[in-house]
Amino acid sequence: GEDVEQSLFLSVREGDSSVINCTYTDSSSTYLYWYKQEPGAGLQLLTYIFSNMDMKQDQRLTVLLNKKDKHLSLRIADTQTGDSAIYFCAESITGKLIFGQGTTLQVKP
Amino acid sequence: DVKVTQSSRYLVKRTGEKVFLECVQDMDHENMFWYRQDPGLGLRLIYFSYDVKMKEKGDIPEGYSVSREKKERFSLILESASTNQTSMYLCASSFVREGGEQYFGPGTRLTVT
Repeated sequence: GEDVEQSLFLSVREGDSSVINCTYTDSSSTYLYWYKQEPGAGLQLLTYIFSNMDMKQDQRLTVLLNKKDKHLSLRIADTQTGDSAIYFCAESITGKLIFGQGTTLQVKP
Repeated sequence: DVKVTQSSRYLVKRTGEKVFLECVQDMDHENMFWYRQDPGLGLRLIYFSYDVKMKEKGDIPEGYSVSREKKERFSLILESASTNQTSMYLCASSFVREGGEQYFGPGTRLTVT
């Protein structure tokens, strides 16, 4: 079946790197996504990776995909207080998105 | 900029009432989605639509129905609201069915008392 798992909470200090992890079960996923949700707002796409890629870098964001272990991670370099939010990973299966539970990132000054 | 708007940010309804949640997108997207978001559960797909007058059940359709009479508008209907439908409801739309970004509205926080 389709299942996406994330840890619920991560706390880091401003300036440190944050790594948010995600595991998924369906190997037929074509795309994997990271969305960000700020308080009181809807979700906003941060980045995505096609399933035949291992890594994608976009400014402070690095996505790593280990397809063998079905493991996806999002690294945020030089984390800022404005990065405090809930981060969702999602896999795309036949056009539908299956979301994880969301990881709340707390950035301490 | 793509804009997805939802009719209300906050809604309070009584058990048994019929509830309409409206979603409008302004980018001529074919695909529209309704999710509910609950703490610790993430987003769960209720219904989606790939075209006007077309609808498909998502993972948790029980207690809900939808209507898509116009391309830009996708409505979620709770025929008889119950307290376990208290949740945040998020609407999204996308241009392509596979591999594209889903654009989300700000959400409607529904409380059923």
